[in-house]
Amino acid sequence: GAVVSQHPSRVICKSGTSVKIECRSLDFQATTMFWYRQFPKQSLMLMATSNEGSKATYEQGVEKDKFLINHASLTLSTLTVTSAHPEDSSFYICSSLPPGRDRGYTFGSGTRLTVV
Amino acid sequence: GESVGLHLPTLSVQEGDNSIINCAYSNSASDYFIWYKQESGKGPQFIIDIRSNMDKRQGQRVTVLLNKTVKHLSLQIAATQPGDSAVYFCAEALGGGATNKLIFGTGTLLAVQP
Repeated sequence: GAVVSQHPSRVICKSGTSVKIECRSLDFQATTMFWYRQFPKQSLMLMATSNEGSKATYEQGVEKDKFLINHASLTLSTLTVTSAHPEDSSFYICSSLPPGRDRGYTFGSGTRLTVV
Repeated sequence: GESVGLHLPTLSVQEGDNSIINCAYSNSASDYFIWYKQESGKGPQFIIDIRSNMDKRQGQRVTVLLNKTVKHLSLQIAATQPGDSAVYFCAEALGGGATNKLIFGTGTLLAVQP
């Protein structure tokens, strides 16, 4: 139980285009979803926290107009990378803490974004 | 800002030996800690967690130790197997509630030699 399904797993896009990444909680209601970015051989860096029905909270240094987050329902949060550039190429991962869960936060399988 | 860090970026062990991965955290207010395992190209996988009111917790082949006095966390893996090869992250949160951010350490690559 407590699965977060993330899609797509891999995406290649051209510079200047936008890419949407979806994270769905399959068997619980995710009132909060955390979005992370991970560069090769580095740790997960928290980008933003999305809350259902309200504006996302962004970490310092993360451009909110570039990384659009929408959390319109209790089971779906999306991250849109707008006007993507090669430096946005990274591994993006979402996470949530299921209610009553005693095994920590659950993570999506990640999205490998390559901007060419 | 405050962060969680690790002493060793790479740890190489022989199959069957015990592994110890260390982590130092700086936020004394953090009260929930988790160890994750991450294989290449995948999301983090929960290993074990511990709350600040404990100093030790055991799972299957893994033990987490928490020393709040020196703000140190460790993960012990018994009888390390090739399948344990991965990057291990410690992470900390304040309160452990659904809205509390989880901050990751820098990671340790565990390489198990056959």
